[in-house]
Amino acid sequence: SQTIHQWPATLVQPVGSPLSLECTVEGTSNPNLYWYRQAAGRGLQLLFYSVGIGQISSEVPQNLSASRPQDRQFILSSKKLLLSDSGFYLCAWSPPSSYEQYFGPGTRLTVT
Amino acid sequence: AQKVTQAQTEISVVEKEDVTLDCVYETRDTTYYLFWYKQPPSGELVFLIRRNSFDEQNEISGRYSWNFQKSTSSFNFTITASQVVDSAVYFCAFHRSNYGQNFVFGPGTRLSVLP
Repeated sequence: SQTIHQWPATLVQPVGSPLSLECTVEGTSNPNLYWYRQAAGRGLQLLFYSVGIGQISSEVPQNLSASRPQDRQFILSSKKLLLSDSGFYLCAWSPPSSYEQYFGPGTRLTVT
Repeated sequence: AQKVTQAQTEISVVEKEDVTLDCVYETRDTTYYLFWYKQPPSGELVFLIRRNSFDEQNEISGRYSWNFQKSTSSFNFTITASQVVDSAVYFCAFHRSNYGQNFVFGPGTRLSVLP
């Protein structure tokens, strides 16, 4: 069966520091991968998605970037965090020819 | 542009009551998919159901049922005999078929089931 992992689970970082969140999927090949952000008490905002290695589409311009160095690995990064980057970051995957998305446990990021 | 509305921000019910969560969507597409997700306090979103625009049959899964009505652009979710474990935020979502990966989520409805 397929599983999705995210780490770390929680993170507290000062403003201006770099960020690296990792997401990996097991038990499937060539998944579509997604990064979402959920601000406190708000809905989900799609940040990036990828349909293959090295292929990244950005939905919202910001100081975040994403990379997909391997088929089942998706990384969310920032060179300098802003206070507004605080939130709950969710990684998700979907099968290549399907539309339902399956979510990881999330990373709660607090920028201080 | 596509839009998903969940007018109920928060709902509180007492255990064993039935509760319906509303979802209304806007689109000009004829082919699309609708989804419901549950987000318990732990934070992870759990996939509940997918429905495509050509399938208007209602679906029942245990205590959960979904009513898709294309004529009113609604995809409502009913929990029968609610339980405390049903307490969560529920999201309705929309996807345009064959149109990239643009998944539009509604703002969510927070359901509290009181013992």
